[in-house]
Amino acid sequence: ELKVEQNPLFLSMQEGKNYTIYCNYSTTSDRLYWYRQDPGKSLESLFVLLSNGAVKQEGRLMASLDTKARLSTLHITAAVHDLSATYFCAVVSYYGGSQGNLIFGKGTKLSVKP
Amino acid sequence: DAMVIQNPRYQVTQFGKPVTLSCSQTLNHNVMYWYQQKSSQAPKLLFHYYDKDFNNEADTPDNFQSRRPNTSFCFLDIRSPGLGDAAMYLCATSRGSQGYEQYFGPGTRLTVT
Repeated sequence: ELKVEQNPLFLSMQEGKNYTIYCNYSTTSDRLYWYRQDPGKSLESLFVLLSNGAVKQEGRLMASLDTKARLSTLHITAAVHDLSATYFCAVVSYYGGSQGNLIFGKGTKLSVKP
Repeated sequence: DAMVIQNPRYQVTQFGKPVTLSCSQTLNHNVMYWYQQKSSQAPKLLFHYYDKDFNNEADTPDNFQSRRPNTSFCFLDIRSPGLGDAAMYLCATSRGSQGYEQYFGPGTRLTVT
């Protein structure tokens, strides 16, 4: 059974600082998604990572995927308050009854303070 | 713009009173999903349809049912809502079922009184 672990679960940052959110998963997969969720809102797609070594960047966020290490990172550069949200990684399961489904991490609640 | 639409956005129902949530899509995607998300938790997949083929998750309570009368629409029926069913319900669609990107609707916030 695929398990997805995100850390940290809570992150309080100062504006202008850099930080990385980690997403580890337990079984082989080569597709991973990052979503952003604002309070009371739905999930907004941030990045689609479809192969080993994939790197995507959008503004102050950069995501990467290492399928051999079963690890994805979401790097935040020079954080601003508007980035405050909960970030979820979701990994595609290729095994068992969950085949084809997205398995979500627990989410990282990011708070960026002045 | 092609999109996923959910109605209503907010639903209040009484304990035990059946309720139906609606999802429609203009993306012409084959797969439609229903997720339940409780406060401060990750979305939990309830079931999905690949075309008319229904796939129920093993731990989805019998209280939850779904219908997909055509490609565009999918409904979530909660037969006898309990207080524990209060949550955000998210509908998503994807072109295929093997890990294709999922596009989420805005969600329906369900309150049970």
